[in-house]
Amino acid sequence: KQEVTQIPAALSVPEGENLVLNCSFTDSAIYNLQWFRQDPGKGLTSLLLIQSSQREQTSGRLNASLDKSSGRSTLYIAASQPGDSATYLCAVRRIGNQFYFGTGTSLTVIP
Amino acid sequence: SAVISQKPSRDICQRGTSLTIQCQVDSQVTMMFWYRQQPGQSLTLIATANQGSEATYESGFVIDKFPISRPNLTFSTLTVSNMSPEDSSIYLCSVNRGGADTQYFGPGTRLTVL
Repeated sequence: KQEVTQIPAALSVPEGENLVLNCSFTDSAIYNLQWFRQDPGKGLTSLLLIQSSQREQTSGRLNASLDKSSGRSTLYIAASQPGDSATYLCAVRRIGNQFYFGTGTSLTVIP
Repeated sequence: SAVISQKPSRDICQRGTSLTIQCQVDSQVTMMFWYRQQPGQSLTLIATANQGSEATYESGFVIDKFPISRPNLTFSTLTVSNMSPEDSSIYLCSVNRGGADTQYFGPGTRLTVL
């Protein structure tokens, strides 16, 4: 069974700092990997999706990388802002439609 | 992208009762997914709902407890039956959309069982 782990569980940084969130998975036979943000009490917002054949994807201040062979993905957030405060989840999709979610990283950006 | 709505957004229910959650998508999709997010936990897939066939349940989830309907390609319901406090969670529906099969989520239904 695929296991997805995110480190750290919580992170607090001052505004303007660059940061990296980590996601690791145990089975490299994945179809894609997707990063989400979740605001308290809300649903999930898709940030970036990386196909298994890709190395990275970028959207604005966000950059996600994928190293399938080592079972790792990172989400890089540049010049963090208080509005970035949320829980960030990574989800790995296997062939078919089974998704496995990580445990999340709770990010607080301090003004 | 996909626009997904859920009803109700939240509810407080008594033990032993049932609640039906509705999920509406802005366009037709083949599969709809139902997830549960227990307090402080990540998401767990409950079942996959295909139009015109029985839902496929993940290990640990059964139809008697979580019956699902999928009457058409834009709508699904999940019922949480005979509720107990352990069912207190956020329930989310989800669809895949686009060439990259991006996953999109509804806003969730926050359920509290007393």
